[in-house]
Amino acid sequence: GAVVSQHPSRVICKSGTSVKIECRSLDFQATTMFWYRQFPKQSLMLMATSNEGSKATYEQGVEKDKFLINHASLTLSTLTVTSAHPEDSSFYICSAGGWDEKLFFGSGTQLSVL
Amino acid sequence: QQQVKQSPQSLIVQKGGISIINCAYENTAFDYFPWYQQFPGKGPALLIAIRPDVSEKKEGRFTISFNKSAKQFSLHIMDSQPGDSATYFCAAEASGGYQKVTFGTGTKLQVIP
Repeated sequence: GAVVSQHPSRVICKSGTSVKIECRSLDFQATTMFWYRQFPKQSLMLMATSNEGSKATYEQGVEKDKFLINHASLTLSTLTVTSAHPEDSSFYICSAGGWDEKLFFGSGTQLSVL
Repeated sequence: QQQVKQSPQSLIVQKGGISIINCAYENTAFDYFPWYQQFPGKGPALLIAIRPDVSEKKEGRFTISFNKSAKQFSLHIMDSQPGDSATYFCAAEASGGYQKVTFGTGTKLQVIP
């Protein structure tokens, strides 16, 4: 199957700093990528839809100024958590839309804000 | 987001047994129903998917049963193995939804030897 690479897998940062997470589709082009947030023992919550070359579409309740999404190429989308605070600590996952409705997920990033 | 209800929340099955996870949806516009498997600390991986034009799809030990009139679908794992221990999510998507998927709440499966 297709490979979606997500980095870093784990990051610890101080409160008030910004953290960037990268999501790359390695062997296919993805015009659409998605960013999710997952709390322990809970389901994935869609945060935003990232479209190559245009502004991301954010889900209701997600602060677009806090979670900056850039999809500059057909293989790369980034999520920047700006001025991170402890309540932003979570598992963040990206996915890329492949062929035939299929979604391919990255391995996730565990963000811990101290 | 439209809901997809999933049960049970957790499931313990003996090795060799059948694991059954059920999901129900409300939005009749949904027409693609994937199941994902997630191991701790990893992203989900597509396991198997079905469209409503068929009532059953089988891939190896994994089978999806689909009941369009009841708006329900289920995952059956035959001959369950300890390596199947993971969290399983059902999901649903509408055509033209550009792969914007609604996930179920998840089922943590533990297969004991």
